[in-house]
Amino acid sequence: EAGVTQSPTHLIKTRGQQVTLRCSPISGHTSVYWYQQALGLGLQFLLWYDEGEERNRGNFPPRFSGRQFPNYSSELNVNALELEDSALYLCASSLNSPDTQYFGPGTRLTVL
Amino acid sequence: EDQVTQSPEALRLQEGESSSLNCSYTVSGLRGLFWYRQDPGKGPEFLFTLYSAGEEKEKERLKATLTKKESFLHITAPKPEDSATYLCAVQGNQGGKLIFGQGTELSVKP
Repeated sequence: EAGVTQSPTHLIKTRGQQVTLRCSPISGHTSVYWYQQALGLGLQFLLWYDEGEERNRGNFPPRFSGRQFPNYSSELNVNALELEDSALYLCASSLNSPDTQYFGPGTRLTVL
Repeated sequence: EDQVTQSPEALRLQEGESSSLNCSYTVSGLRGLFWYRQDPGKGPEFLFTLYSAGEEKEKERLKATLTKKESFLHITAPKPEDSATYLCAVQGNQGGKLIFGQGTELSVKP
């Protein structure tokens, strides 16, 4: 069974640009979660989507947004990139909540 | 405020030297406590889910236990391939989001 997949693997952007990250959940999973793992800060919760709806968001500015599609895949959009947005962005999926979240390999974003 | 604290931050063991990692938590209405293993530059790999105090789970050289205030990850006779960062996370009554600790970086030398 395929796990959570994310694209792209790596991304380099400059300050002020916009970026879109993509995630495909495990087949049958309806909930998708996004986390940011910046150096020295640990994993921080960004967004939770379930059945196409945003259920919860973490303490991040509105320039972080996303959506979930009818096939349960998801996008994370970050506008007006700042240097501190450089991080590993991780997507996870679960069958429902509470349930174990399975993580993808992540997208490494570097903002110059 | 929901919070997770892991200790120690780093742990160096010799191959075969058993030890334990600690995860202390405060959360409003624990719905689950999760242990993950993370290798550098990769996504966390699921290890265990614990739902209630007194619960224990085992997998190969690892055993996770849960009380009302903390969880332990016991590593018996570790091997070099067990070297990784071990992450603890809790989910509270808000659902959805996991609150992670800072992790314990384990290094096992042959």
